[in-house]
Amino acid sequence: AQSVTQLDSHVSVSEGTPVLLRCNYSSSYSPSLFWYVQHPNKGLQLLLKYTSAATLVKGINGFEAEFKKSETSFHLTKPSAHMSDAAEYFCVVFRTTSGTYKYIFGTGTRLKVLA
Amino acid sequence: DGGITQSPKYLFRKEGQNVTLSCEQNLNHDAMYWYRQDPGQGLRLIYYSQIVNDFQKGDIAEGYSVSREKKESFPLTVTSAQKNPTAFYLCASSISGYPETQYFGPGTRLLVL
Repeated sequence: AQSVTQLDSHVSVSEGTPVLLRCNYSSSYSPSLFWYVQHPNKGLQLLLKYTSAATLVKGINGFEAEFKKSETSFHLTKPSAHMSDAAEYFCVVFRTTSGTYKYIFGTGTRLKVLA
Repeated sequence: DGGITQSPKYLFRKEGQNVTLSCEQNLNHDAMYWYRQDPGQGLRLIYYSQIVNDFQKGDIAEGYSVSREKKESFPLTVTSAQKNPTAFYLCASSISGYPETQYFGPGTRLLVL
C-alpha cells in the first residue's frame, strides 16, 4: 500500500540558508506525490506535484522537489530560506484501490526560520 | 473568486450535542473531502465524496456523518458518539478520479465546553 514518511518533525534553518525537508514514500508502482504548506491556523496550499513527468519539479515560492525512484524519496528543497517560509509542510501520496482513491498525508515537518 | 469556504471558524460543542460544520465550494469540483488534524498526526481522512449523492468512509469515520445533496456542499456532522472531537477540521475539493490538486478551506476549530 502507498504511504509516506516525513523523516523530520521539526527543522530549523537560518534566514538565507538552504532548506531540505525529507520525504520517503512506499508504492508498488510509480506514485503521484505532492507537497503542501500550511501556515498557522490556515488551510493547506499546494507547493508542487509530481505525476510521472519530469523528475525535478519546480513549485511556487522558489521550492522544488526531486523524485528519486532508486531512493524512494521526494525531498523538498529551497536554496535560500525566507522568514515567510516558516510553516508546516506535508508530503502526500495519491493512492488508488479498486476504483476508489485517497490522498495519504505524512505527519508533517514544522519549519522554523531563524533571523 | 473561486474557492472553498468553511464556517464557522470556531465552534463550541457541549456534552451530548451534535454539531454541523459547513463546507461550500464554487470550483465545480466533483470530489470533496473532510479531514481531521491533530498536533503531530498530520491529516486523517474522515469522509470523502466522489460525486453527488455518494460518499465513502475514510480512516476515522466513527462518530461523524456527512451528506452530499448538492455538488457544491458537503456538511460534516460531529455526533455525540465522537468522544474526542476537539481538533482542527479541514474541508477540501478536487477534480475527481485523478491525482489532481486538492484545494483546502481555511478550517474550523472545534472545541468542547
